[in-house]
Amino acid sequence: EVQLVESGGGLAQPGRSLRLSCEASGFKFEEYAMHWVRQVPGKGLEWVSGISGSSHNLGYADSVKGRFTISRDNTKSSLFLEMNSLGPEDTALYYCAKGRGTIWSGCNIWGQGIMVIVS
Amino acid sequence: DIQMTQSPTSLSASVGDSVTIACQASQDIGNYLNWYQQKPGKAPKLLIFDASKLETGVPSRFRGSGSGTDFTFTISSLQPEDIATYYCQQFDVLPFTFGPGTKVDFK
Repeated sequence: EVQLVESGGGLAQPGRSLRLSCEASGFKFEEYAMHWVRQVPGKGLEWVSGISGSSHNLGYADSVKGRFTISRDNTKSSLFLEMNSLGPEDTALYYCAKGRGTIWSGCNIWGQGIMVIVS
Repeated sequence: DIQMTQSPTSLSASVGDSVTIACQASQDIGNYLNWYQQKPGKAPKLLIFDASKLETGVPSRFRGSGSGTDFTFTISSLQPEDIATYYCQQFDVLPFTFGPGTKVDFK
């Protein structure tokens, strides 16, 4: 079964850091781009960051550029999001999502989401 | 950044109705557009990719069309399980922006 499980969320003080992890299973992780998407409860979706299967291509939303770093470990089928200089505006449910292909495309598998609260 | 707009913001329809949502990009994105469905308390689900291609397992009553800057998402015959919020997303140019969403509920 294809599955994504996020971890590492929780409560953080403003200015501090958190590291989100996403463990993938059920597919060849290295063959797919991966993304982080967040959602403030009751609001819309915001794409945060994405990384290609090889890690050669990556990108960030303007709102997190310079503060967040996406990475992946294909040997461990894991995706990460290092979040620094957190602010209240980063409070959201963070989803890990699998792309349809090695490079950019739609996200066809999503985790259940992990809550990050900055307060 | 590419701005995505959707209209309407919300709509009410009856079972069996045809429902149409528009999505507009602030610049030409070719066919690099996805449509997602999100039900309350659930993760989004990909319905349409590359503007018009149906994701595996998605019912054929869902359809996407358009290219360039103007796109349309249609549910040909609304079913009770289709009550949700629908989002478009461009993936032509980083950052990959979502539209604000269209909430679909029953009249």
